[in-house]
Amino acid sequence: NAGVIQTPRHKVTGKGQEATLWCEPISGHSAVFWYRQTIVQGLEFLTYFRNQAPIDDSGMPKERFSAQMPNQSHSTLKIQSTQPQDSAVYLCASSHPGANERLFFGHGTKLSVL
Amino acid sequence: GDSVTQTEGLVTLTKGLPVMLNCTYQTTYSPFLFWYVQHLNEAPKLLLKSSTDNKRTEHQGFYATLHKSSSSFHLQKSSVQLSDSALYFCALTSTQVVGQLTFGRGTRLQVYA
Repeated sequence: NAGVIQTPRHKVTGKGQEATLWCEPISGHSAVFWYRQTIVQGLEFLTYFRNQAPIDDSGMPKERFSAQMPNQSHSTLKIQSTQPQDSAVYLCASSHPGANERLFFGHGTKLSVL
Repeated sequence: GDSVTQTEGLVTLTKGLPVMLNCTYQTTYSPFLFWYVQHLNEAPKLLLKSSTDNKRTEHQGFYATLHKSSSSFHLQKSSVQLSDSALYFCALTSTQVVGQLTFGRGTRLQVYA
């Protein structure tokens, strides 16, 4: 079991460019979560899928952020027109049904917007 | 909404000493509390979890007791090691709001020889 796989590990974009982050959850896990980690805010919930369906995106900035889960083996987080304040580590996590929301995190993608 | 408050910032200790990292929470629903640990350049990993009032839960020498009366879930260890140096997050989910954890801002523990 390779765990949750996130690619790329590091991404550098210029202000105004688009960034797409990829996540492959653990096989058999039906819930996938995206979190953002910064020193100032800590871990912030962004969005959540269960059985590929979007359940809760209450943490997503509405204008430039979007997330999809086209199949059970991967999810993407897309940030359009990136801004310096989007610089953060974006963590993907998955969980097994009935595990009381124990999350298995990936190593994250460190996004740097110049 | 739900919220979690942790000991802020950095806690520094000499190895062999005890540690307690504070965590208090607010929720209107029945709480499920977690401690996650994140070592440098690693993914956060579950350390402890509990939803049972007044019952101590332990793992890898760390322990915590959920006290619903005081809305607390403090993390303790009797003797810290160098390898315990990491970032520790307290997190909350409520049985009415499944699928989402509310994290505290994290406490960095630095253990010195």
